Amino acid sequence: EPEVTQTPSHQVTQMGQEVILRCVPISNHLYFYWYRQILGQKVEFLVSFYNNEISEKSEIFDDQFSVERPDGSNFTLKIRSTKLEDSAMYFCASIQSSYNSPLHFGNGTRLTVT
Amino acid sequence: EDKVVQSPLSLVVHEGDTVTLNCSYEVTNFRSLLWYKQEKKAPTFLFMLTSSGIEKKSGRLSSILDKKELFSILNITATQTGDSAIYLCALPRGGNEKLTFGTGTRLTIIP
Repeated sequence: EPEVTQTPSHQVTQMGQEVILRCVPISNHLYFYWYRQILGQKVEFLVSFYNNEISEKSEIFDDQFSVERPDGSNFTLKIRSTKLEDSAMYFCASIQSSYNSPLHFGNGTRLTVT
Repeated sequence: EDKVVQSPLSLVVHEGDTVTLNCSYEVTNFRSLLWYKQEKKAPTFLFMLTSSGIEKKSGRLSSILDKKELFSILNITATQTGDSAIYLCALPRGGNEKLTFGTGTRLTIIP
């Protein structure tokens, strides 16, 4: 069964550094998402992406965050200047169509900011 | 503001027991309710419920939705240690499957 794949599985970075988290969504999917989960807390929506643009973003997704689909297969989340509170699991997800389709999540990238 | 509340927060049972996990919600424009299982990493999809009173079943797991009372339950019969996980309830908001998650129920099965 096709999967959403994410790399790296774990990223350690120093505060203030830029990080790029990478995702390869399922190939025929059209809608892409990033979620995050701070340790012990709820899974939270960050951003949705369709037709090469952001369709919706949460309050968490401030100017430090950006997303891109540079080559038609990868879907990336960039954090320009990481803060300690950005430490979390970041999940990529995709769906084929937007109505009543269950999201398929990748295995996540654990980001640790020191 | 949309709300998704799961109970109990944590549950410890012995292998072979049956468990019932609860999810209550307040959302505008209900479309569906989803259950996910989260072990060490990604949430994996279990069920999507859209209609009241229709049970969805997969092996020892089953789920049902009550749109009048605004809740869903997830049942697991004859539990096994592999059922130990966090079970998440989520509802989509808006038109693009942006999910609001509950806090989850941490289920631990003791051999």
